[in-house]
Amino acid sequence: GENVEQHPSTLSVQEGDSAVIKCTYSDSASNYFPWYKQELGKGPQLIIDIRSNVGEKKDQRIAVTLNKTAKHFSLHITETQPEDSAVYFCAASGPGGGADGLTFGKGTHLIIQP
Amino acid sequence: GAVVSQHPSRVICKSGTSVKIECRSLDFQATTMFWYRQFPKQSLMLMATSNEGSKATYEQGVEKDKFLINHASLTLSTLTVTSAHPEDSSFYICSAPPPGLRGTQYFGPGTRLTVL
Repeated sequence: GENVEQHPSTLSVQEGDSAVIKCTYSDSASNYFPWYKQELGKGPQLIIDIRSNVGEKKDQRIAVTLNKTAKHFSLHITETQPEDSAVYFCAASGPGGGADGLTFGKGTHLIIQP
Repeated sequence: GAVVSQHPSRVICKSGTSVKIECRSLDFQATTMFWYRQFPKQSLMLMATSNEGSKATYEQGVEKDKFLINHASLTLSTLTVTSAHPEDSSFYICSAPPPGLRGTQYFGPGTRLTVL
């Protein structure tokens, strides 16, 4: 089955700086890669996603890049703000589309220092 | 946007009792829903796939007789934890894929189960 590795487990950055979180996946058949933000005691919130036919996607301060050959994808957050502090999870899904569950990375605790 | 709700948000029960958790898609229909479990400071692990009108499919290592899933309608899936024990204490989260967005899943707010 799919295996998703995520690094780092904890990331502390100064407010206003950029944060980068990286993930690798093992199954070359995976074709959908979402990123979720989870605050304490809440369910994950989808913040951005990318499909395997696209190399990069951007939404305001958030961007995701995908390298299919190397099987890795990254989340980039620019101009970080205190409200960006949370746990971020990457995930991968197979070719079954909506019929596939997601395989998650272990998460990155992002801390924005004021 | 697509909204998924869960009920209850928090439940405390005695060891040996059964607990039912509901997952609803509020503004779309979902023939498939997913159930995940998350232990403290850990990631989400897929437990099972709930299929409307047919049996759920369980991930390896998940006991189907302990975690009963019923997908009674296109907007409701239920997870029943039977004969709960303290080691079943966890955060249970459901998700549903909205129509037309291949692969996308929206998650519910989660249910915190504590078994005494």
